[in-house]
Amino acid sequence: GQQVQQSPASLVLQEGENAELQCNFSTSLNSMQWFYQRPGGSLVSLFYNPSGTKHSGRLTSTTVIKERRSSLHISSSQTTDSGTYLCALEHGSSGNKLIFGIGTLLSVKP
Amino acid sequence: NAGVIQTPRHKVTGKGQEATLWCEPISGHSAVFWYRQTIVQGLEFLTYFRNQAPIDDSGMPKERFSAQMPNQSHSTLKIQSTQPQDSAVYLCASSRTGGDSDYTFGSGTRLLVI
Repeated sequence: GQQVQQSPASLVLQEGENAELQCNFSTSLNSMQWFYQRPGGSLVSLFYNPSGTKHSGRLTSTTVIKERRSSLHISSSQTTDSGTYLCALEHGSSGNKLIFGIGTLLSVKP
Repeated sequence: NAGVIQTPRHKVTGKGQEATLWCEPISGHSAVFWYRQTIVQGLEFLTYFRNQAPIDDSGMPKERFSAQMPNQSHSTLKIQSTQPQDSAVYLCASSRTGGDSDYTFGSGTRLLVI
């Protein structure tokens, strides 16, 4: 089965609203990363967060290992936040490769 | 720092032809990864080098796909006898040692097999 599951698959917001993106994983974890991808663009690393909570501007990532979940919170969304958000985990037996979720497609309307 | 450089950005090949994709990792990064992205499957790991040595190729299709890293400044992914199902965006990434917070992706090569 899929080791990394993301929800929701897609999300539409009005500018200014908040978003909570979820990532659940079914295996042990060495690290968890969140990436952002604009349509047709490359992946940009947002957070490297193996555990706990990290902040970066309007973004907050929280990883709870024993609950096998990680979340990405976007506050006061802007139209420029539109794109795909991907979580990826590296776990013990996978070496250093990342296993990605399918992503959440976020669209922020003006 | 120009980041991870991938060439070409776009490639169109006829079915049965060979395609070679290039990746130049960030200088000083010893780990190089290849991934493939499609709408249906999402991002899938293909193969991984550390200090130019192949470490894990568990994601590589057994036939037609091969990857090399002849020196620390570039890696190639070769697809022989390309098929329409090989159409995808091929992404290269590098990091200092692998599993670090500085995992950096290139812009990818969009391969279309017609």
